[in-house]
Amino acid sequence: GAVVSQHPSRVICKSGTSVKIECRSLDFQATTMFWYRQFPKQSLMLMATSNEGSKATYEQGVEKDKFLINHASLTLSTLTVTSAHPEDSSFYICSASGGTSKGRTETQYFGPGTRLLVL
Amino acid sequence: DQQVKQNSPSLSVQEGRISILNCDYTNSMFDYFLWYKKYPAEGPTFLISISSIKDKNEDGRFTVFLNKSAKHLSLHIVPSQPGDSAVYFCAASSGGSNYKLTFGKGTLLTVNP
Repeated sequence: GAVVSQHPSRVICKSGTSVKIECRSLDFQATTMFWYRQFPKQSLMLMATSNEGSKATYEQGVEKDKFLINHASLTLSTLTVTSAHPEDSSFYICSASGGTSKGRTETQYFGPGTRLLVL
Repeated sequence: DQQVKQNSPSLSVQEGRISILNCDYTNSMFDYFLWYKKYPAEGPTFLISISSIKDKNEDGRFTVFLNKSAKHLSLHIVPSQPGDSAVYFCAASSGGSNYKLTFGKGTLLTVNP
């Protein structure tokens, strides 16, 4: 139980285009979903927290107009990187909480990640 | 200010021996702690957690110990296997409605055959 999928796993795009990444909780309803970014050899950096049906809460320094987050249902959240630039190239990982297969409700289950390369 | 610290960036252990990964925290409001394992280019995998009302939780080869007075927790893996080689992240939560986790920077564990 507590499986999270992410799509696509890898995307290459041209500078200036927008890219949408989907995150789905497959076997549980996620009350909260999170979007992280990981730079090489660094820890996970939380970008934003989203609850179904409400606006995402962005961490300090994260541009909400650049990283659009939609959490339309209890099983789906999307991250859209708008007008992507090479510096947006990174590994983006989503997670979902609300599953209770192990631990408390706030245990986060992570998707496999999306590698974004902006040329 | 780093509230969750993993002071050892790397650890090397022989197969079959015990691996001990350490984590310290500074925020006394944290009451739930988790360990995740991460392979390169993959998302973290939840391993084990512990609530602050306990001092030990065991799941198979994995045991987490919590010392609240020292604000310290550790993950023991025994026996260690080559497949355990990965980056291990410690995370903590203070509850509340947003369920945010604060992560350490990770420890790279290498288990040598």
